[in-house]
Amino acid sequence: AQTVTQSQPEMSVQEAETVTLSCTYDTSENNYYLFWYKQPPSRQMILVIRQEAYKQQNATENRFSVNFQKAAKSFSLKISDSQLGDTAMYFCAFMKHLAGETSGSRLTFGEGTQLTVNP
Amino acid sequence: GAGVSQTPSNKVTEKGKYVELRCDPISGHTALYWYRQSLGQGPEFLIYFQGTGAADDSGLPNDRFFAVRPEGSVSTLKIQRTERGDSAVYLCASGMGNSQETQYFGPGTRLLVL
Repeated sequence: AQTVTQSQPEMSVQEAETVTLSCTYDTSENNYYLFWYKQPPSRQMILVIRQEAYKQQNATENRFSVNFQKAAKSFSLKISDSQLGDTAMYFCAFMKHLAGETSGSRLTFGEGTQLTVNP
Repeated sequence: GAGVSQTPSNKVTEKGKYVELRCDPISGHTALYWYRQSLGQGPEFLIYFQGTGAADDSGLPNDRFFAVRPEGSVSTLKIQRTERGDSAVYLCASGMGNSQETQYFGPGTRLLVL
């Protein structure tokens, strides 16, 4: 079974500054995907960024980037130029890769980090 | 539709009652997932459908929980004899159902059992 750990229950950052959210995971799988989702008070879980484990290059999406360390099983999220709209709960999630064209797979989530961006 | 929709948005019921929660996935998505999110925690997997069949129901906590997807589109999560511990947000997600999919979530149904 996979586990995902987010050791920072709460974080805060000043607007326009940079913040890094931590995530570690435990798995015996070699092929998998990692995700960061954002959940604002509206409850809608929004995909922020995803990383394929077979790719060494870290994923980036505009102001969001990850530091993926496969050997250390670490997957941190860096938010640059933080904006007030970034205030939300952030969840790290793991998905095992299943062989086959029609094989979806469950997500395993961490407990989340509440990020507050202060003006 | 443009995104995953869930109804109702909120549901209040009494202990022992039966409830149904509905999920309408993104058009064309063959995979559909249900998760349960208790207060202050991350979502936990309940069940996964590929088309009409439940491909993985290992996350259902007990036999009071049941889900169907009869036509491979809309899904209904059914909870019998509700208990106060069932109070949570129930999230639905859909995806393309392939080995590289990303799951897209609905806004959830907040269930409160009194």
